[in-house]
Amino acid sequence: QKEVEQDPGPLSVPEGAIVSLNCTYSNSAFQYFMWYRQYSRKGPELLMYTYSSGNKEDGRFTAQVDKSSKYISLFIRDSQPSDSATYLCAMSEDDKIIFGKGTRLHILP
Amino acid sequence: DGGITQSPKYLFRKEGQNVTLSCEQNLNHDAMYWYRQDPGQGLRLIYYSHIVNDFQKGDIAEGYSVSREKKESFPLTVTSAQKNPTAFYLCASSQGPDSPLHFGNGTRLTVT
Repeated sequence: QKEVEQDPGPLSVPEGAIVSLNCTYSNSAFQYFMWYRQYSRKGPELLMYTYSSGNKEDGRFTAQVDKSSKYISLFIRDSQPSDSATYLCAMSEDDKIIFGKGTRLHILP
Repeated sequence: DGGITQSPKYLFRKEGQNVTLSCEQNLNHDAMYWYRQDPGQGLRLIYYSHIVNDFQKGDIAEGYSVSREKKESFPLTVTSAQKNPTAFYLCASSQGPDSPLHFGNGTRLTVT
């Protein structure tokens, strides 16, 4: 079993919809969880950084961590065409950071 | 404006030549990283450095070399020993363990 699993997509949703992106992981030692957004031919940009189980909100973005199920989610409300990108989850334990392979998201105008 | 600068954005080389990719940061971060990104493969760690004059191999270090002579700079050399050098290379930095990574905008290397 891979340490971090992420559906590659593509995921296509209409503008204004709520988007749900997910990752599962196998290593219960992971303590920190991140979501990155990557536009084509650009570097990943940090969106959310969380430590504990529960929800963290920042504008239209909500990160959710369920350590008991080893499952993290990123919700995007009121999705916009500019949200079209690849979303990478990442998790860390000490100095070891593992990335998911990314989910390609298309927001349809 | 603080950030990470990678140059050049696009790089073309002939097979058998070594090439050095530049990475400079002004975030005052101690740790720096090099990743390689290929379609469908995700991010793979090449080398990382937590402090000046010290660095460690990542998961795919073969055919690559680095140096860390200054806190701000972490250049990556892709040697002729790297069998599949054509890829998108990303440099990142962080304040330290358990801190999130901040990425540059990458260098796309094409070797023919």
